[in-house]
Amino acid sequence: QSVLTQPPSASGTPGQTVTISCSGSNSNIGRDAANWYQQVSGTAPKLIIYRNAQRPSGVPDRFSGSKSGTSASLAINGLQSEDEADYYCATWDDSLDGHYVFGTGTKVTVL
Amino acid sequence: QVQLVQSGAEVKRPGASVRVSCKASGYTFTSYGITWVRQAPGQGLEWVGWISGYNGNTKYAQMLQGRVTMTTDTSTSTANMELRNLRSDDTAVYYCARETSCCPEAFDIWGQGTMITVSS
Repeated sequence: QSVLTQPPSASGTPGQTVTISCSGSNSNIGRDAANWYQQVSGTAPKLIIYRNAQRPSGVPDRFSGSKSGTSASLAINGLQSEDEADYYCATWDDSLDGHYVFGTGTKVTVL
Repeated sequence: QVQLVQSGAEVKRPGASVRVSCKASGYTFTSYGITWVRQAPGQGLEWVGWISGYNGNTKYAQMLQGRVTMTTDTSTSTANMELRNLRSDDTAVYYCARETSCCPEAFDIWGQGTMITVSS
Protein backbone atom coordinates (compact mmCIF):
# COMPACT_ATOMS: atom_id res chain seq x y z
CA GLN A 1 0.00 0.00 0.00
CA SER A 2 1.67 3.17 -1.25
CA VAL A 3 1.98 6.26 0.93
CA LEU A 4 2.09 8.52 -2.15
CA THR A 5 -1.35 9.07 -3.63
CA GLN A 6 -1.94 9.83 -7.30
CA PRO A 7 -5.13 9.99 -9.36
CA PRO A 8 -5.61 6.67 -11.20
CA SER A 9 -6.10 8.26 -14.58
CA ALA A 10 -5.77 11.46 -16.59
CA SER A 11 -6.42 12.24 -20.21
CA GLY A 12 -6.23 14.94 -22.83
CA THR A 13 -6.21 15.58 -26.55
CA PRO A 14 -2.98 16.29 -28.43
CA GLY A 15 -1.67 19.73 -27.58
CA GLN A 16 -3.49 20.02 -24.27
CA THR A 17 -1.89 20.21 -20.83
CA VAL A 18 -2.27 17.36 -18.36
CA THR A 19 -1.33 17.72 -14.71
CA ILE A 20 -0.79 14.82 -12.28
CA SER A 21 -0.70 15.30 -8.52
CA CYS A 22 1.22 13.30 -5.93
CA SER A 23 0.18 13.64 -2.30
CA GLY A 24 2.56 12.54 0.43
CA SER A 25 3.49 13.46 3.98
CA ASN A 26 6.19 15.04 6.11
CA SER A 27 8.18 11.80 6.15
CA ASN A 28 8.58 11.63 2.36
CA ILE A 29 7.83 14.49 -0.06
CA GLY A 30 7.76 16.96 2.81
CA ARG A 31 11.41 16.28 3.57
CA ASP A 32 12.93 14.91 0.34
CA ALA A 33 12.85 15.65 -3.36
CA ALA A 34 10.12 14.26 -5.61
CA ASN A 35 11.00 12.29 -8.72
CA TRP A 36 8.85 11.18 -11.62
CA TYR A 37 9.05 8.09 -13.80
CA GLN A 38 7.31 7.33 -17.07
CA GLN A 39 6.54 3.72 -17.96
CA VAL A 40 5.32 2.87 -21.42
CA SER A 41 3.49 -0.45 -21.49
CA GLY A 42 5.83 -3.42 -21.44
CA THR A 43 9.00 -1.41 -20.90
CA ALA A 44 11.20 -0.40 -17.97
CA PRO A 45 10.45 2.87 -16.16
CA LYS A 46 12.24 6.00 -17.35
CA LEU A 47 13.25 8.91 -15.13
CA ILE A 48 11.71 12.13 -16.47
CA ILE A 49 11.94 14.50 -13.49
CA TYR A 50 14.36 14.45 -10.52
CA ARG A 51 14.92 16.84 -7.62
CA ASN A 52 11.33 18.13 -7.98
CA ALA A 53 11.83 19.99 -11.23
CA GLN A 54 15.03 18.88 -13.01
CA ARG A 55 14.89 17.11 -16.36
CA PRO A 56 17.50 14.51 -17.31
CA SER A 57 19.25 15.05 -20.60
CA GLY A 58 17.02 14.07 -23.51
CA VAL A 59 13.69 14.54 -21.74
CA PRO A 60 11.51 17.02 -23.68
CA ASP A 61 10.86 20.36 -22.00
CA ARG A 62 7.11 19.82 -22.23
CA PHE A 63 7.54 17.80 -19.03
CA SER A 64 7.82 19.93 -15.90
CA GLY A 65 7.67 19.25 -12.18
CA SER A 66 6.98 21.21 -9.03
CA LYS A 67 6.67 20.63 -5.32
CA SER A 68 4.90 22.45 -2.52
CA GLY A 69 4.95 21.19 1.04
CA THR A 70 3.97 17.52 1.05
CA SER A 71 2.69 17.43 -2.54
CA ALA A 72 4.30 17.33 -5.95
CA SER A 73 2.96 17.76 -9.46
CA LEU A 74 3.93 16.74 -12.96
CA ALA A 75 2.70 18.73 -15.94
CA ILE A 76 2.79 17.61 -19.55
CA ASN A 77 2.40 20.62 -21.80
CA GLY A 78 1.52 20.11 -25.44
CA LEU A 79 0.48 16.50 -24.95
CA GLN A 80 1.66 14.09 -27.66
CA SER A 81 0.54 10.59 -28.55
CA GLU A 82 3.84 9.12 -27.37
CA ASP A 83 3.17 10.49 -23.87
CA GLU A 84 0.54 7.81 -23.32
CA ALA A 85 2.00 5.85 -20.42
CA ASP A 86 1.87 5.26 -16.68
CA TYR A 87 3.47 7.90 -14.50
CA TYR A 88 4.80 7.37 -10.97
CA CYS A 89 6.08 9.82 -8.40
CA ALA A 90 8.69 8.54 -5.96
CA THR A 91 11.04 9.51 -3.16
CA TRP A 92 12.65 8.26 0.03
CA ASP A 93 10.56 7.97 3.17
CA ASP A 94 12.30 8.19 6.54
CA SER A 95 9.74 6.15 8.43
CA LEU A 96 10.30 2.42 9.06
CA ASP A 97 14.09 2.90 9.14
CA GLY A 98 14.05 4.47 5.68
CA HIS A 99 12.65 3.07 2.47
CA TYR A 100 11.88 4.20 -1.07
CA VAL A 101 8.26 4.72 -2.02
CA PHE A 102 6.46 4.95 -5.33
CA GLY A 103 3.15 6.62 -5.93
CA THR A 104 0.05 4.64 -6.85
CA GLY A 105 0.55 5.52 -10.50
CA THR A 106 -1.46 7.50 -13.04
CA LYS A 107 -2.43 6.21 -16.46
CA VAL A 108 -2.31 9.04 -19.01
CA THR A 109 -4.42 8.51 -22.10
CA VAL A 110 -4.12 10.65 -25.22
CA LEU A 111 -7.59 10.93 -26.73
CA GLN B 1 27.28 3.23 -23.20
CA VAL B 2 26.02 2.99 -19.64
CA GLN B 3 23.77 -0.01 -19.25
CA LEU B 4 22.46 -2.65 -16.89
CA VAL B 5 21.81 -6.12 -18.28
CA GLN B 6 19.78 -8.55 -16.20
CA SER B 7 19.60 -12.32 -16.17
CA GLY B 8 16.78 -14.17 -17.86
CA ALA B 9 13.28 -15.13 -16.81
CA GLU B 10 12.76 -17.94 -14.31
CA VAL B 11 9.92 -20.15 -13.15
CA LYS B 12 10.08 -21.37 -9.56
CA ARG B 13 8.01 -23.48 -7.21
CA PRO B 14 6.64 -22.01 -3.99
CA GLY B 15 9.24 -22.25 -1.24
CA ALA B 16 12.18 -22.17 -3.65
CA SER B 17 14.80 -19.43 -4.02
CA VAL B 18 15.74 -17.31 -7.00
CA ARG B 19 18.76 -15.18 -7.81
CA VAL B 20 18.61 -12.32 -10.31
CA SER B 21 21.80 -10.72 -11.55
CA CYS B 22 22.35 -7.22 -12.94
CA LYS B 23 25.59 -6.63 -14.83
CA ALA B 24 26.72 -3.04 -15.15
CA SER B 25 28.89 -1.58 -17.87
CA GLY B 26 30.02 1.82 -19.08
CA TYR B 27 30.63 3.38 -15.67
CA THR B 28 32.55 2.92 -12.43
CA PHE B 29 30.44 0.34 -10.60
CA THR B 30 31.67 1.25 -7.11
CA SER B 31 30.61 4.90 -7.49
CA TYR B 32 26.87 4.24 -7.61
CA GLY B 33 24.21 2.41 -5.64
CA ILE B 34 21.79 -0.02 -7.22
CA THR B 35 18.15 -0.28 -6.29
CA TRP B 36 15.78 -3.15 -7.04
CA VAL B 37 12.14 -2.60 -7.93
CA ARG B 38 9.44 -5.12 -8.76
CA GLN B 39 6.14 -4.95 -10.58
CA ALA B 40 3.49 -7.63 -10.24
CA PRO B 41 1.32 -8.24 -13.31
CA GLY B 42 -1.00 -5.29 -13.85
CA GLN B 43 0.23 -3.56 -10.69
CA GLY B 44 2.38 -0.56 -9.81
CA LEU B 45 6.03 -0.26 -8.92
CA GLU B 46 7.23 -1.59 -5.56
CA TRP B 47 10.66 -0.92 -4.05
CA VAL B 48 12.51 -4.07 -3.01
CA GLY B 49 15.78 -2.69 -1.66
CA TRP B 50 19.05 -0.88 -2.30
CA ILE B 51 22.73 -1.76 -2.18
CA SER B 52 25.76 0.51 -2.20
CA GLY B 53 28.19 -0.18 -5.03
CA TYR B 54 30.92 1.29 -2.83
CA ASN B 55 30.75 -0.78 0.36
CA GLY B 56 27.84 -3.22 -0.05
CA ASN B 57 25.66 -1.57 2.58
CA THR B 58 22.04 -2.57 2.11
CA LYS B 59 18.55 -1.40 2.89
CA TYR B 60 15.56 -3.69 2.33
CA ALA B 61 11.83 -3.22 2.14
CA GLN B 62 10.43 -4.14 5.51
CA MET B 63 7.92 -6.59 4.04
CA LEU B 64 10.78 -8.63 2.53
CA GLN B 65 13.16 -8.53 5.47
CA GLY B 66 14.50 -11.99 6.18
CA ARG B 67 13.75 -13.30 2.68
CA VAL B 68 15.84 -11.02 0.48
CA THR B 69 19.60 -10.59 0.24
CA MET B 70 21.43 -8.21 -2.08
CA THR B 71 25.11 -8.50 -2.89
CA THR B 72 27.64 -7.05 -5.28
CA ASP B 73 30.64 -8.53 -7.08
CA THR B 74 32.93 -5.62 -7.88
CA SER B 75 35.25 -7.85 -9.92
CA THR B 76 32.47 -8.36 -12.49
CA SER B 77 30.48 -5.15 -11.83
CA THR B 78 27.44 -7.21 -11.00
CA ALA B 79 24.69 -6.74 -8.46
CA ASN B 80 22.67 -9.73 -7.33
CA MET B 81 19.34 -10.12 -5.60
CA GLU B 82 18.32 -13.37 -3.96
CA LEU B 83 14.75 -13.96 -2.81
CA ARG B 84 14.03 -17.03 -0.69
CA ASN B 85 10.94 -18.96 0.34
CA LEU B 86 9.12 -17.75 -2.74
CA ARG B 87 5.37 -17.24 -2.68
CA SER B 88 2.89 -16.79 -5.49
CA ASP B 89 2.66 -13.06 -4.75
CA ASP B 90 6.38 -12.72 -5.51
CA THR B 91 5.50 -13.25 -9.17
CA ALA B 92 6.63 -10.05 -10.84
CA VAL B 93 9.05 -8.36 -13.18
CA TYR B 94 12.15 -7.43 -11.18
CA TYR B 95 14.19 -4.40 -12.27
CA CYS B 96 17.58 -3.15 -11.16
CA ALA B 97 18.29 0.56 -11.51
CA ARG B 98 21.27 2.83 -10.90
CA GLU B 99 21.31 6.05 -8.90
CA THR B 100 21.81 9.27 -10.80
CA SER B 101 25.23 10.87 -10.53
CA CYS B 102 23.97 13.78 -8.49
CA CYS B 103 21.08 12.43 -6.53
CA PRO B 104 20.71 9.09 -4.74
CA GLU B 105 16.94 9.49 -4.56
CA ALA B 106 16.51 9.12 -8.32
CA PHE B 107 17.37 6.26 -10.68
CA ASP B 108 18.23 7.00 -14.28
CA ILE B 109 19.60 3.76 -15.73
CA TRP B 110 17.36 0.70 -15.63
CA GLY B 111 17.83 -2.91 -16.55
CA GLN B 112 15.49 -4.57 -18.99
CA GLY B 113 13.65 -6.46 -16.26
CA THR B 114 13.53 -10.12 -15.27
CA MET B 115 10.23 -11.99 -15.06
CA ILE B 116 10.03 -14.28 -12.04
CA THR B 117 7.05 -16.61 -12.00
CA VAL B 118 6.20 -18.56 -8.85
CA SER B 119 3.81 -21.37 -9.54
CA SER B 120 3.18 -24.92 -8.43
